[in-house]
Amino acid sequence: DSGVTQTPKHLITATGQRVTLRCSPRSGDLSVYWYQQSLDQGLQFLIQYYNGEERAKGNILERFSAQQFPDLHSELNLSSLELGDSALYFCASSGDDGIYTEAFFGQGTRLTVV
Amino acid sequence: GQQVMQIPQYQHVQEGEDFTTYCNSSTTLSNIQWYKQRPGGHPVFLIQLVKSGEVKKQKRLTFQFGEAKKNSSLHITATQTTDVGTYFCAGGANAGGTSYGKLTFGQGTILTVHP
Repeated sequence: DSGVTQTPKHLITATGQRVTLRCSPRSGDLSVYWYQQSLDQGLQFLIQYYNGEERAKGNILERFSAQQFPDLHSELNLSSLELGDSALYFCASSGDDGIYTEAFFGQGTRLTVV
Repeated sequence: GQQVMQIPQYQHVQEGEDFTTYCNSSTTLSNIQWYKQRPGGHPVFLIQLVKSGEVKKQKRLTFQFGEAKKNSSLHITATQTTDVGTYFCAGGANAGGTSYGKLTFGQGTILTVHP
């Protein structure tokens, strides 16, 4: 158990809909990262928050947004969903926002868009 | 932007054979991390390399960071069925000598071990 909690574990929704994925980082970790894992795309970095502020942005679509709340949990909002958005979405946390710190990954949310 | 390429994409071995995956970056890296993801699981941190030419070992796993800090490898000696999974490298590029920057994951190498 990494200490990072993601909910829900599975999500099935229709195209055009909007969903929210939730992540609770390890106790004490200030940094939260979101990744998308598709079968043929490996781990794609989406966005990073540190102590409530956006720190880095990766290949995140405009239809996607995220935020980190004062209690440090984070939410990833996906809207106008398309079939191609079906993937495993991981949240990871680390103690700081540097690149030398190991990241702890949650179990992931498997999103299926039908 | 920074690209991290990992090869091979797939590797099938017989139990007891060795396995190596390679990670190459288009730019000089500040550090490299390796993660393992078991089937149906999540990535788990294995190790980090920071110094040019660094070599680290974890039991049957040997990790190397190239002299130019543009490539890295993970070698597993005498694979076991417990080694199955996807191995990812993640290359770091810091900003101006600080600890801030971005980690870019490679595509991963999926290892299958046949008993």
